[in-house]
Formats: sequence, structure tokens, C-alpha cells
Amino acid sequence: EVQLVESGGGLVQPGGSLRLSCAASGFTLSDQFMDWVRQAPGKGLECIGRTENKVNMYTTQYAASVKGRFTISRDDSKNSLYLQMNSLKTEDTAVYYCVRELAGGFDIWGQGTMVTVSS
Amino acid sequence: QSALTQPPSASGSPGQSVTISCTGTSSDVGGYKFVSWYQQHPDKAPKLMIYEVSKRPSGVPDRFSGSKSGNTASLTVSGLQAEDEADYYCSSYAGSNTFVFGTGTKVTVL
Repeated sequence: EVQLVESGGGLVQPGGSLRLSCAASGFTLSDQFMDWVRQAPGKGLECIGRTENKVNMYTTQYAASVKGRFTISRDDSKNSLYLQMNSLKTEDTAVYYCVRELAGGFDIWGQGTMVTVSS
Repeated sequence: QSALTQPPSASGSPGQSVTISCTGTSSDVGGYKFVSWYQQHPDKAPKLMIYEVSKRPSGVPDRFSGSKSGNTASLTVSGLQAEDEADYYCSSYAGSNTFVFGTGTKVTVL
């Protein structure tokens, strides 16, 4: 079964750090473009980061709202994707989804992991 | 870039049709074929319903259809069913390897 499972969310103080993980099954992560999409409570969806596939040398792009603070990485041996989040702000509070990008759309979504930034 | 504009709400009775619009600019919706639509039930992850403007992934009922004219894309749900009640989001490629989502529309089945 094709699946994405996120983990690593939780409560963190402003200025703190958190690392989210996304384990893929049913397909080879290195072949795919992958994104992180977040959704603040009661709000819409925001694509915050994107990593291209191995053929494209895992080139990454970030939304202006997180650039310089968030970093996407991969571990091919674990078929996993990561989101390192530093200098967290209260406005980063959201559900974070790991998503597979295909044909200009997002076809596989994880269940999401909640990140709460609060003192 | 700014979020694509969707109406906050739409509604219809069972069996009727509802159409949701998604308005952007020539730099996103109007400039590319990569418009997609997502259905999200409460406390669930979004689900891809339409990609490349009008294509349906395997398993999505043909009651769901998509189209585009100029800078505005549309999602039509025909033969509304109770389980179609959800939030719907559009998305478009916006150039420079970026994507933008719509503001979201809550569909109510009366």
C-alpha cells in the first residue's frame, strides 16, 4: 500500500526547534518530488517546502514564511523525508503534512502531525 | 504569492450540482495546466480529486469534474451526495517551482 506516515510533532516554545519525520511505503521516495504542506487551525493549506527527486539532485525550495528557518532533507536508506524546523514562531502552529507531488498535483498525503508553538 | 480566491461556501440539495470557482492570475491558474482540487473532511487529510485541470485519479467518482477558462478554474460536483459535504481547495502551479492553494470552500449538502 502506498502510504506516508508523519511523526515528530508536539509542543515547543517560541524560538525552539523540532524535527518532523515522514516514512514512505509502497514506493521509492528518491524517485519522487515531495512537499511539506501545513494547515494552521481553522485555516487553509500552505505549501512551505519542496524537494525534487534524485535525478534533479534533490533541489529544494521554500516559502518565504519559512526560508532560512526550515530545512528539508532525505534518508534514502530509510525511505524517509524530514523537516527540520528552527527558530519556531507562534504562527508556525499548524498540522504539517508530508505530500507526494505528481503531475502538478499532490496525490498522496500523510495523516498529518500537529506542531504547537507556545510558551 | 497570494492565495487563489474561492467562495467561502456553496450548497446544494442531494442530487443537485454545485460548482466552485477558483480565481487566480495569468501567473498561476491562467498560465499553467497544473490546477488540482482537494476534498477535506473534518480532521482528515486532504484528498486529491482532480489534477491537470480536469483529470480524475483512479477511484474518484465521475460526479467530480474540473475545467478552466482564463484565470479561473472550476470544480463541479454533480448528483450531490451526503458524503460530498466537506471543504474543497484548489491549487495551481505558480512558476519558479512553487504552488499556491485556494482559500477553501465549505460545501454543505442541504
